[in-house]
Amino acid sequence: QSALTQPASVSGSPGQSITISCSGISSDVGGYSYVSWYRQHPGKAPKLIIYDVTNRPFGVSNRFTGSKSGNTASLTISGLQAEDEADYYCSSSASSSTPLFGGGTKLTVL
Amino acid sequence: EVQLVESGGGLVQPGRSLRLSCAASGFTFNDYTMHWVRQAPGKGLEWVSTVSWNGGNTDYADSVKGRFTISRDNAKNSLYLQMNSLRAEDTAFYYCAKDRVGGGVDYYFDSWGQGTLVTVSS
Repeated sequence: QSALTQPASVSGSPGQSITISCSGISSDVGGYSYVSWYRQHPGKAPKLIIYDVTNRPFGVSNRFTGSKSGNTASLTISGLQAEDEADYYCSSSASSSTPLFGGGTKLTVL
Repeated sequence: EVQLVESGGGLVQPGRSLRLSCAASGFTFNDYTMHWVRQAPGKGLEWVSTVSWNGGNTDYADSVKGRFTISRDNAKNSLYLQMNSLRAEDTAFYYCAKDRVGGGVDYYFDSWGQGTLVTVSS
């Protein structure tokens, strides 16, 4: 299985919205609702911010929104803040199957 | 508060072995499936292995199958990863991660340790 495809980098200004895409195939992203997103600041462990395509864990800001269309999942961050500058990873697994990760996207807040 | 603390990383020669440990606290350890996820320096995340709440079911990435063994000791609230026949490409930060759901597995990692660095080099 190949890794999921994410853009290497995206950028936006404070207050703007950005969207990060995550492309897979019908047997992973497209076929199931088991998509998650993680944020990782430099030198830190990843943090779960979206699961089951659209759900946010308790305590995660509602500025983070997940969605999916066909074989592509997306993470939208609204009202960009300096603290959002980080690496973002998507992940997908078929039902009870082992997960694949995307290659990661570096978000720069200008 | 959930805490996961990895240990056991270090510099090891190719072909040698290393055992990682993860001490868990702040939750009922024996209710949860646990995972190891690794990240080569400057690279992306890679799922490595999973063990069920009672240790009865395990799974491995193809890249480590036959060389790594995951286990747990619920009496000690600890997770382990025995790594044998190490290769240069195993060099990475190894993270211990807790599954989001109790009593099952959904491969969503809702708590992570700080990671321990394994460097495989002669």
